[in-house]
Amino acid sequence: AQSVTQLDSHVSVSEGTPVLLRCNYSSSYSPSLFWYVQHPNKGLQLLLKYTSAATLVKGINGFEAEFKKSETSFHLTKPSAHMSDAAEYFCVVSEAGGYNKLIFGAGTRLAVHP
Amino acid sequence: EAGVVQSPRYKIIEKKQPVAFWCNPISGHNTLYWYLQNLGQGPELLIRYENEEAVDDSQLPKDRFSAERLKGVDSTLKIQPAELGDSAVYLCASSYSGGRGYTDTQYFGPGTRLTVL
Repeated sequence: AQSVTQLDSHVSVSEGTPVLLRCNYSSSYSPSLFWYVQHPNKGLQLLLKYTSAATLVKGINGFEAEFKKSETSFHLTKPSAHMSDAAEYFCVVSEAGGYNKLIFGAGTRLAVHP
Repeated sequence: EAGVVQSPRYKIIEKKQPVAFWCNPISGHNTLYWYLQNLGQGPELLIRYENEEAVDDSQLPKDRFSAERLKGVDSTLKIQPAELGDSAVYLCASSYSGGRGYTDTQYFGPGTRLTVL
């Protein structure tokens, strides 16, 4: 069975400092992995996705994530936080080759301080 | 390109009343999903449609929840009667599943926030 664990429920950073949101997954097969962002009162927006191509995935707004099979991790990073990055972030797993059922983590709330 | 449209955005009802949510997917998307998002949690799939057919409704509480997708486009999710525990955000998403491309990106609507008093 698939599952996702987001290791931090809240992360707080200062503007201009790096962001690290941690995610570990469990999957029986080759997974597809995603990061979605949810701003208040807005829909979930796809940041990036991994589908068995390059292990370092670049997304929108300067975010990137690295797929590490040996560590079953898919951490999200950004070199320099911006105030507009404050939101809820969800790590998501889907089993490639199966049907497109997404399993969401519980979310990490990112706060960015001036 | 218009995104996934949902209405209403907010709904407040008293318990035991019925409620319905509407979703219009992105044009051309044949797969539609309804998710439930409780406060402080990630979304959980309620039901998935491929065209008009509900292909996964295993997580839909069928005693009070129902859904339909007439003509394979718009969809309606209904709760009757609503309970206090149904207060949550109901999200609709859509994707294009072109055969075995099951990693197709799901695009989400803004959701309907339901409050049951």
